Amino acid sequence: DAGVTQSPTHLIKTRGQHVTLRCSPISGHKSVSWYQQVLGQGPQFIFQYYEKEERGRGNFPDRFSARQFPNYSSELNVNALLLGDSALYLCASSPRTRDYEQYFGPGTRLTVT
Amino acid sequence: AQSVTQPDIHITVSEGASLELRCNYSYGATPYLFWYVQSPGQGLQLLLKYFSGDTLVQGIKGFEAEFKRSQSSFNLRKPSVHWSDAAEYFCAATGTASKLTFGTGTRLQVTL
Repeated sequence: DAGVTQSPTHLIKTRGQHVTLRCSPISGHKSVSWYQQVLGQGPQFIFQYYEKEERGRGNFPDRFSARQFPNYSSELNVNALLLGDSALYLCASSPRTRDYEQYFGPGTRLTVT
Repeated sequence: AQSVTQPDIHITVSEGASLELRCNYSYGATPYLFWYVQSPGQGLQLLLKYFSGDTLVQGIKGFEAEFKRSQSSFNLRKPSVHWSDAAEYFCAATGTASKLTFGTGTRLQVTL
C-alpha cells in the first residue's frame, strides 16, 4: 500500500505570500493531522481533521487553516507568510480505530525569503 | 502542561555497540508513547509504540523500548548499532487522540 503522500516536496515563497500544501492519507485512513517542524526541533501539532471536521488545533495563529475533502485528502493553507514559517510541514494519517497511531509523510519543505 | 523530554541532544556510538536513548514524559495519566526515527530531509518513521500491557515493547529494525511508570520514562534501546541507524530519533506521547507531543530529538552518530 502507498504511504502518506505530500506535495509539493519543496517550495520557496516570499514574505506576505500565501501557500497551499497538500496531503493524501494512507488508503482507508480517515484522520489527517498536520505538524510543523522547524529546523533542529521536534514537530509541533497544527491541526487534526477527522471525517472532514476539525478535531484539534494547536497553538498557531489564524493565518494557518486547513480542510479535509470527501476523499480524506487534506490541504494546509498559510496566509501572509513570515520568515518564521520556514519549516518542514508534515502530514500524518491514522486508522479510524486507532487514531493515536500516526503515520507520517515525507513532508513539504517551505522556505520563506 | 504535557511535555516530553529527551535529555540527550547528540549521542555518538561505535558500530556494534549498544544504544540507549532516554525519554521522559510529563502527563496527567499514562499516555500512549511512541518512538520515531527521521533521516535527513525525510519524514518520520514509526519504530515502536506503547499503549498498555507488557512494559517491554519490540519494534522494527531491532529496536525495543521499556516503559517505566515509576520513572515516567520510555527509553529506546538497541543491542548492536549499525551505521545505517545514524539519524534523528524522536520520542512522542499523546493523552488524547492524535495530538502528538514530541521531544526535541536526539541525533545519533555512528562511528565505524
